[in-house]
Amino acid sequence: AQKVTQAQTEISVVEKEDVTLDCVYETRDTTYYLFWYKQPPSGELVFLIRRNSFDEQNEISGRYSWNFQKSTSSFNFTITASQVVDSAVYFCALSEARNYGQNFVFGPGTRLSVLP
Amino acid sequence: ETGVTQTPRHLVMGMTNKKSLKCEQHLGHNAMYWYKQSAKKPLELMFVYSLEERVENNSVPSRFSPECPNSSHLFLHLHTLQPEDSALYLCASSPSRTGSPNEQFFGPGTRLTVL
Repeated sequence: AQKVTQAQTEISVVEKEDVTLDCVYETRDTTYYLFWYKQPPSGELVFLIRRNSFDEQNEISGRYSWNFQKSTSSFNFTITASQVVDSAVYFCALSEARNYGQNFVFGPGTRLSVLP
Repeated sequence: ETGVTQTPRHLVMGMTNKKSLKCEQHLGHNAMYWYKQSAKKPLELMFVYSLEERVENNSVPSRFSPECPNSSHLFLHLHTLQPEDSALYLCASSPSRTGSPNEQFFGPGTRLTVL
């Protein structure tokens, strides 16, 4: 069975600090996809990144970066120089390729508060 | 309009009422989804539709009844709900259900309160 764990329920940082959100996943498949979504107070989830299990290269997009480590089954997300607008709930998600659409599993989310 | 829209944004209903949630996507996608987001629980996938055919219901109670008349519209019909069904109901769409998983695009959700 697949599972996504986000151990940090809530994080508070002061603006301009760096912050890392942890994501640990479990799957028996060798082919799978990992995602990060952001849910601001407005409610709708916003897609941030998709990564497949064969691509362990770290990725950077502006102030966002992702560290995928298959050896530890982790897909952590770092925000550099955080801003108040980064305040949201962040979800990590996993989908096994063979059953896509039937088992898109989300983690419980991490609520990030960036204080001015 | 663009993206995924949901109406109503807020709904309060009694346990004996019948209501429907509506979702519309303007992205030309072939797959649509209903999720339930309760306080202190992970997002739960309820239903998946691909090309207007339901492919998964994840053991959702029969008091929730989905309908997908075409690839752009998705409904969730509600009847005789329980207070524990109060939650944020999110609709999403993606280009396809098959092949490699694509990102899902979400609507803003309907905040449902069952009294």
